[in-house]
Amino acid sequence: KAGVTQTPRYLIKTRGQQVTLSCSPISGHRSVSWYQQTPGQGLQFLFEYFSETQRNKGNFPGRFSGRQFSNSRSEMNVSTLELGDSALYLCASSYGGERANVLTFGAGSRLTVL
Amino acid sequence: AQSVTQLGSHVSVSEGALVLLRCNYSSSVPPYLFWYVQYPNQGLQLLLKYTSAATLVKGINGFEAEFKKSETSFHLTKPSAHMSDAAEYFCAVFTGGGNKLTFGTGTQLKVEL
Repeated sequence: KAGVTQTPRYLIKTRGQQVTLSCSPISGHRSVSWYQQTPGQGLQFLFEYFSETQRNKGNFPGRFSGRQFSNSRSEMNVSTLELGDSALYLCASSYGGERANVLTFGAGSRLTVL
Repeated sequence: AQSVTQLGSHVSVSEGALVLLRCNYSSSVPPYLFWYVQYPNQGLQLLLKYTSAATLVKGINGFEAEFKKSETSFHLTKPSAHMSDAAEYFCAVFTGGGNKLTFGTGTQLKVEL
């Protein structure tokens, strides 16, 4: 059974650019969540999508957005990149039906903003 | 609001010694609690979860955690540390609806010979 796949694994951008990260969940999982991990702020929840609808949103500016497709694959986009957006972005998937679902995480996309 | 606090950002133990990583939760309702482990350059892997069934939860790789409501704690233990246990460990709690997790600040475990 394939795990959660995130692409790209590493990328470097410059300030002001935008970036799109992709996440393919485990087959059958309908929920995809995104987290940002930085040394200073730790792991912070960005948003969650379930059946193509944003079900939950963290406290991030509007530059951070996401979407989910009918096959449950998800993308997140960060526009007008800032130095502080350098982080490991983790995607997690789950069945999503009821509370306390186990989240399975991907290996992450490491973004460096110069 | 539900949250977790991990005491000790760095813990060092000798190989073969007891591992104890501390996590305290704050919740007005019965919490759903988790421990995850992160190895370098990898994502998070679930060690174990508590969902109000048995208070002693056994996980993978010999880890276990005990839910103590009176102490609002969910500490992670392993009787005998192995070099391969060196990693960062995160305690987490479900918050809000859906699948939103709130993580602790993490504890870096170092295992020495």
